[in-house]
Amino acid sequence: QKEVEQDPGPLSVPEGAIVSLNCTYSNSAFQYFMWYRQYSRKGPELLMYTYSSGNKEDGRFTAQVDKSSKYISLFIRDSQPSDSATYLCAMRVTGANNLFFGTGTRLTVIP
Amino acid sequence: EADIYQTPRYLVIGTGKKITLECSQTMGHDKMYWYQQDPGMELHLIHYSYGVNSTEKGDLSSESTVSRIRTEHFPLTLESARPSHTSQYLCASKSHGGEHNEQFFGPGTRLTVL
Repeated sequence: QKEVEQDPGPLSVPEGAIVSLNCTYSNSAFQYFMWYRQYSRKGPELLMYTYSSGNKEDGRFTAQVDKSSKYISLFIRDSQPSDSATYLCAMRVTGANNLFFGTGTRLTVIP
Repeated sequence: EADIYQTPRYLVIGTGKKITLECSQTMGHDKMYWYQQDPGMELHLIHYSYGVNSTEKGDLSSESTVSRIRTEHFPLTLESARPSHTSQYLCASKSHGGEHNEQFFGPGTRLTVL
């Protein structure tokens, strides 16, 4: 079983839609949760970072962590064509450097 | 803003050639990493370094080697490239201090071995 599971999509939505991206994980020791955005032919860019459970909001982006369910989400409000990218979830345990990544969800926002 | 550079961005090379993928960062980060990324697959850590003269293998076995002679530089070398080495190679770095900081990635090198 993979440490992190993520639906690869692809996911296509119309401009202005609310997008929900999700990952599940199996290791209850994970405490740090990240979302990276990766445009085609580019490296991943850190988008959101959350420690332990709860919500974090940054502009149109909201990250949620539910440790009891081992489930994390990224919501994108008022999605824009420029949001079209692959979104990778990643997580790690306290004190560790190794990040465990999901396979990424490819998102296309249609104008 | 993260400043981490990788060269070349794209490389097509024949089997048996020796290649070095360059990675440099200007942020003074102690920790640096190399990942391999294949389509539809998660990123896998192949090498990491905690500082000068420190190198470790990651969770994915790789025939590549790395060196860390200077803080800002973390090159990856393949002595004899094979088609199975075709992949995207991503370099990342992270500052040493504090728990609440994460890895910043370079743009990647897309390697094709014919």
